[in-house]
Order: sequence, then structure tokens, then C-alpha cells
Amino acid sequence: GAGVSQSPRYKVTKRGQDVALRCDPISGHVSLYWYRQALGQGPEFLTYFNYEAQQDKSGLPNDRFSAERPEGSISTLTIQRTEQRDSAMYRCASSLLAQASDTQYFGPGTRLTVL
Amino acid sequence: AQSVTQLDSQVPVFEEAPVELRCNYSSSVSVYLFWYVQYPNQGLQLLLKYLSGSTLVESINGFEAEFNKSQTSFHLRKPSVHISDTAEYFCAVRDTGRRALTFGSGTRLQVQP
Repeated sequence: GAGVSQSPRYKVTKRGQDVALRCDPISGHVSLYWYRQALGQGPEFLTYFNYEAQQDKSGLPNDRFSAERPEGSISTLTIQRTEQRDSAMYRCASSLLAQASDTQYFGPGTRLTVL
Repeated sequence: AQSVTQLDSQVPVFEEAPVELRCNYSSSVSVYLFWYVQYPNQGLQLLLKYLSGSTLVESINGFEAEFNKSQTSFHLRKPSVHISDTAEYFCAVRDTGRRALTFGSGTRLQVQP
């Protein structure tokens, strides 16, 4: 079956612009996660959803970052007024169940470059 | 806060040699432990995980990792590596009461002929 997909795969934007990154999880997966990965580092947690409810947004760096999953499937991570420090790989993952032991399956990521 | 340390950023090794990739974590609470692999130009894939039970877990392609609670470690080993094992390997930890994964900074395994 299809895995987690993300679009766009690459996004180049100018400082100050807003960007929206999309994640399409594996069909039927309850939980959806967003991570950010800087060059040479491991992914860092941003936020996660169970169905449409945002359960934990403690990793969002500031109020320019927001995420939604209105119908409990596709999710959008929005960054307003982008800054150069926002440049990173943004990774989405989904898991079948809402359990801490469940495996997270990752998408290919969106590489964001802010000029 | 949980932290994960992968001391080796790069590990060069010859084909058919053994390898160990080290991972230590900070938390003393109950945890789940994972190794993810990222092959060139691909996304993160789960390699193996420890949830409970036997402290030695194995993957389908010959890797194994051992959970050592007293040393808070979860080192990854393979007795004989292939060229195709060239990839970046990430250790990750999750507190059993939380959903977020905490990742290490990764170890790049470079297998040479």
C-alpha cells in the first residue's frame, strides 16, 4: 500500500513569505506527527495529532508555526513570515494506533529553503 | 528532558567487517527504543525496536541491538556488513508516557569494498 506522502518535496521561498507543507498519512492511521530536521542533526518533534485533535504542540518553536488536520487525515504545517533559520527538512510520520509503543512511519520529507 | 547521544558521527568500515553503532540516552524512566535507517535519497525507515521483554532485538537484514538499562544504552551491531548497508542510522527514544520520539544526531555508516 501507499506510504506517507509529503508535498512539495522541495520548497524555496523568500524571507517573509508564508509556506504550507502538506502531509498525507497512510490510510487509516490515527496519529500524525511533524518533525523538523536541521542539516547534520536528527529529527526534532514539533507536534502531533490523534484524528483531528492536536494533542501536543510543545515542539513548535514559536507562534509563526501552526498545524492542522481538520478531517483527521491530511495535515498542513504552516509557517508564517518565514525566516532563514526555518530552512530545514520537515518530516511527517503516521502511526496506526494512538499508542506510545506504535511504530511511526515517515514520509520522504519536504526540504524548505528560505532565502 | 530526554536526550540521545550518538557519539560517532561517521563510521567507515570495510565490507564483511563487524560494526557497532553506539547510542546512549539520558532518561531513567521507562522507555521504548528504536533504530531508524535512512538510505541515500530515501526517507527514514524503522530498522528495529525494543518495547519490552528480551533485551536483544533483531532486524530482518542481520542487525541487532541490545537494551542495557543500567548503562542506558541501545547499541546497534552487525557481525558482517555489506556495501548496501551504507546509510545514516538514527537512534530514537520515546518515554512510555509520551508520543514524541527524541532522536540522536545520527551516525553515517560508510561501507568500503
